[in-house]
Formats: sequence, C-alpha cells, structure tokens
Amino acid sequence: DAGITQSPRHKVTETGTPVTLRCHQTENHRYMYWYRQDPGHGLRLIHYSYGVKDTDKGEVSDGYSVSRSKTEDFLLTLESATSSQTSVYFCAISESQGGINYGYTFGSGTRLTVV
Amino acid sequence: GESVGLHLPTLSVQEGDNSIINCAYSNSASDYFIWYKQESGKGPQFIIDIRSNMDKRQGQRVTVLLNKTVKHLSLQIAATQPGDSAVYFCADSTGNQFYFGTGTSLTVIP
Repeated sequence: DAGITQSPRHKVTETGTPVTLRCHQTENHRYMYWYRQDPGHGLRLIHYSYGVKDTDKGEVSDGYSVSRSKTEDFLLTLESATSSQTSVYFCAISESQGGINYGYTFGSGTRLTVV
Repeated sequence: GESVGLHLPTLSVQEGDNSIINCAYSNSASDYFIWYKQESGKGPQFIIDIRSNMDKRQGQRVTVLLNKTVKHLSLQIAATQPGDSAVYFCADSTGNQFYFGTGTSLTVIP
C-alpha cells in the first residue's frame, strides 16, 4: 500500500513476551490508527493518534500501548502478549482538511500469533 | 456505541451480473460513509465514498446509494468480474474515526 508500511508482516511470539509492531507513513498525515481484525468482529480500534505525542484509546485498548514520537511512525506494543491477542493488526492513516475528514489508507497488515 | 452491520455475510454472483451489497448503520449523526474492499491477505482498499448531503455517487463500475431515512447504505457493482471476489466492508464516521461492519464475502462464479 503506497505511503504506509507495517513491520513485521508476520510474527510468532510466546505468551508473556513484549511485542512491538511498527507503522511507518510517508504521507505526512496527522491521524494514525491501530486496528485488529478477527473473524466475526470486523475491524476494532485499539489506539489512535492525532499528532506527535497525542494518542488516545480505542474500544479494545487493554493490554496495548502506543507511542508516536515522530509524525511518520506509530508503534503498537503488546506489554505481555496473550493468546487472545493473536490477530491480524492493521495500521491506517487519514487526514482532514478544512474540517472535512477523508477516509483511511490501510497498511498491508501484521499477522501476529501468540503461542 | 456504533453499530454498523451488513445484511448478508456471503454473496455469490455469476460473472457479468450486477452485485448489490447492503449495509445498515445506527448512528443518525454519521455524515461520511466509505466502502472498502479487502482481498485475502491484504489490507482494506478504498472503493468509493459518499457524504451525508448526497444520496448517490458513482464511480467506475460501482455506485453507492445512501438512504438516511432508514440508515441504509448499498454498494452496487456492475458487470461483476472474478477480480471483484473479496470481502466488502462499509464504514461510517462522524469525525476522524470510522466504525466498520464485519463484511460481506463476495464470490464471483465464472
């Protein structure tokens, strides 16, 4: 997906270990988001950011933290991975101009398996 | 909270036929709607959007219809092709956050 990359694309980790996923954008968009996607649930918001060092919780934020030290990078950390955090994680970016918001551009996703 | 859902989880159509995918939303304050397409192993991709001051918008082979009275959104794909096989999501927003349905899986039969 042009302008937004996620790393790693796949990861297997053990229960109890910390894990950090990275989202990098080259679009200079203000807003960045982390979603998880699970069968039967659709996309659920974990955390989002509306600027450098400005972040807020989404509907499924427990067990996750985020950081945004630069406009282009948004990191998602699983403090102590659990099997329930096995999922596909998507980063998205968006922008608003003149009070009008525009849709998301999504990354290609990170498939995380916690064993 | 938000509730965005799709009427049918799966849809199969013959190649060349038109496809219609439906979506209901619950927040009457939602003012911006998007349809996304997600192919296996990929992230969702923008297809078409519509704002609440419109009731119809057309793109290339796709049309989105918005009925604010009954809070219903539909995506019409003309002359469906095998490459259209994917999961389709609707999403609605009132600000910078979007709320997604679980998706409809479209299968195109050659």
